Amino acid sequence: KAGVTQTPRYLIKTRGQQVTLSCSPISGHRSVSWYQQTPGQGLQFLFEYFSETQRNKGNFPGRFSGRQFSNSRSEMNVSTLELGDSALYLCASSSEWASGRTDTQYFGPGTRLTVL
Amino acid sequence: GQSLEQPSEVTAVEGAIVQINCTYQTSGFYGLSWYQQHDGGAPTFLSYNALDGLEETGRFSSFLSRSDSYGYLLLQELQMKDSASYFCAAGGATNKLIFGTGTLLAVQP
Repeated sequence: KAGVTQTPRYLIKTRGQQVTLSCSPISGHRSVSWYQQTPGQGLQFLFEYFSETQRNKGNFPGRFSGRQFSNSRSEMNVSTLELGDSALYLCASSSEWASGRTDTQYFGPGTRLTVL
Repeated sequence: GQSLEQPSEVTAVEGAIVQINCTYQTSGFYGLSWYQQHDGGAPTFLSYNALDGLEETGRFSSFLSRSDSYGYLLLQELQMKDSASYFCAAGGATNKLIFGTGTLLAVQP
């Protein structure tokens, strides 16, 4: 199976702009989660989507949003970019147990966003 | 709040054994996962403990004690390629993972 893919791999934006990042999960995986990784804050959970519905949300401002399509592909959007949004954005997909949770998440290579 | 604490750095020599500890404070705890991340790479899954005790996968073992809110990752027969960051992560009732602060392991020849 192909792994999780993310596009683009690198992005440079300026303050005030908006950005859309894309994630294609492993075939058959319906859960997609997004994380932000920075040297200062580590890996922080943004949100999780399952069957086109947001199931979980982290503590990020409303400028961060996402969606999932019927083929499980997901996008996240950051509006009105700030310097502090510079980070590695990671997407992870997982298969689903009947209980609604899983133990293993498979990460994509990430999108490196730089805000100038 | 929810938090997982790990040592920031650990150094060991090739062939040695190293233990990376993780103490957690989370609500609705289901289990503890461990991920490895090489510099510039994506986190990759190593191990998961849902129950107390030791789980062994090749050179890696992971331990969990729910009563102590504590776990550790044990790496044996260290190799240079094991130099990476290691994260513990707590899972709850859903697919939201809370990651620890991360431990940078440096393996020296």
